[in-house]
Amino acid sequence: EVQLLESGGGLVQPGGSLRLSCSASGFTFSSYAMSWVRQAPGKGLEWVSGIGGSGGSTYYTDSVKGRFTISRDNSKNTLYLQMNSLRAEDTAVYYCAKYDGSTWYGDYWGQGTLVTVSS
Amino acid sequence: SYDLTQPPSVSVSPGQTASITCSGDKLGDKYASWYQLKPGQSPVLVIYEDSKRPSGIPERFSGSNSGNTATLTISGTQAMDEADYYCQAWDSSAHVVFGGGTKLTVL
Repeated sequence: EVQLLESGGGLVQPGGSLRLSCSASGFTFSSYAMSWVRQAPGKGLEWVSGIGGSGGSTYYTDSVKGRFTISRDNSKNTLYLQMNSLRAEDTAVYYCAKYDGSTWYGDYWGQGTLVTVSS
Repeated sequence: SYDLTQPPSVSVSPGQTASITCSGDKLGDKYASWYQLKPGQSPVLVIYEDSKRPSGIPERFSGSNSGNTATLTISGTQAMDEADYYCQAWDSSAHVVFGGGTKLTVL
């Protein structure tokens, strides 16, 4: 059974940093792309970042480029999102998702972790 | 950038057919996927690669994609299908893009 468990969310001040983790099990982690997707309060889904199975290819939405870094440790079956220079508009539930790396659809999703950026 | 446009809301009577559209430039040349999102829950993939259903998704969910429009169709809509639905596609410039979402009301 595929399981994705996010952690690391919480309350942080504007300009601060946070690192999200996503622990994966139930599939060959290194064989699949992964993504972070967020949903701000009252808003829709927004793709944030993606990474290929080997970690060699990374992708970001424009609003987080230069501030967020996606990475993975395939030996630990864990996905990360390092978030720096956080802004109020980054407040959202962040989901990690297992993605098909060829046609890019997300077939399994975690339960999400809430990030609140506020003073 | 690449944009996907969905109607904000769609209403359907129980047992009837609901159609949710997703429009984007030459969307038919890309693969579309659809996700169901209920309050307090995680997104669930209901259609991938335009028209394929993941295991466990009822047959009443179907999809198509041609020209500039992808469509999610729910036949014999049930009360449990009430949710927000999002289309998604991959674009070489924007990478993964979601539509704005459609609230499906079953009344």
